[in-house]
Amino acid sequence: EAQVTQNPRYLITVTGKKLTVTCSQNMNHEYMSWYRQDPGLGLRQIYYSMNVEVTDKGDVPEGYKVSRKEKRNFPLILESPSPNQTSLYFCASSQSPGTWTDTQYFGPGTRLTVL
Amino acid sequence: AQKITQTQPGMFVQEKEAVTLDCTYDTSDPSYGLFWYKQPSSGEMIFLIYQGSYDQQNATEGRYSLNFQKARKSANLVISASQLGDSAMYFCAMREGGIGNNDMRFGAGTRLTVKP
Repeated sequence: EAQVTQNPRYLITVTGKKLTVTCSQNMNHEYMSWYRQDPGLGLRQIYYSMNVEVTDKGDVPEGYKVSRKEKRNFPLILESPSPNQTSLYFCASSQSPGTWTDTQYFGPGTRLTVL
Repeated sequence: AQKITQTQPGMFVQEKEAVTLDCTYDTSDPSYGLFWYKQPSSGEMIFLIYQGSYDQQNATEGRYSLNFQKARKSANLVISASQLGDSAMYFCAMREGGIGNNDMRFGAGTRLTVKP
């Protein structure tokens, strides 16, 4: 089954404790991205990757890191989480970069709470 | 600047009736795609329908159709014969052409409640 998976689905942590949210897709997609969803703001892009070893900032990258060492995986790293990073996070992928016709497929979401 | 605007934070519809969810967008790019996603209370984002800027006809997918008015820059989602399972958050999104990050831009969403 074609899908995007994320882990963990739920996480409660404390300020400053490093964490990683994993994302994996099995569709051989080149483009992957991370979003955060906050009430009234829709989804905002954190980071994106156009292919292996090619990553760049989205609209709200502060406090986050990513890496893309393999095509299928795109982990999101919070080196020192703060309460304002409490949010619902989505990983997404699409077939190819630079294509405005491509649908993005989303993972199930990770609900993160930082105390 | 806000590229996607959904002016209806919440909507109610009676079961079996049709409902229209509004979406307007702003772009100067001639090439763009418009997308609608559904987010039920479980949280996942489900792709519903796509409309390309060069498409001559309005897109349809089962009970979903997209009322695309290019000159008005609107891409309203029409759900026919509403069902209780249609109760969810709905997001309009746009992806522009051009070189570089063809990020998908989202509106703030509309929460639809279907009443029995």
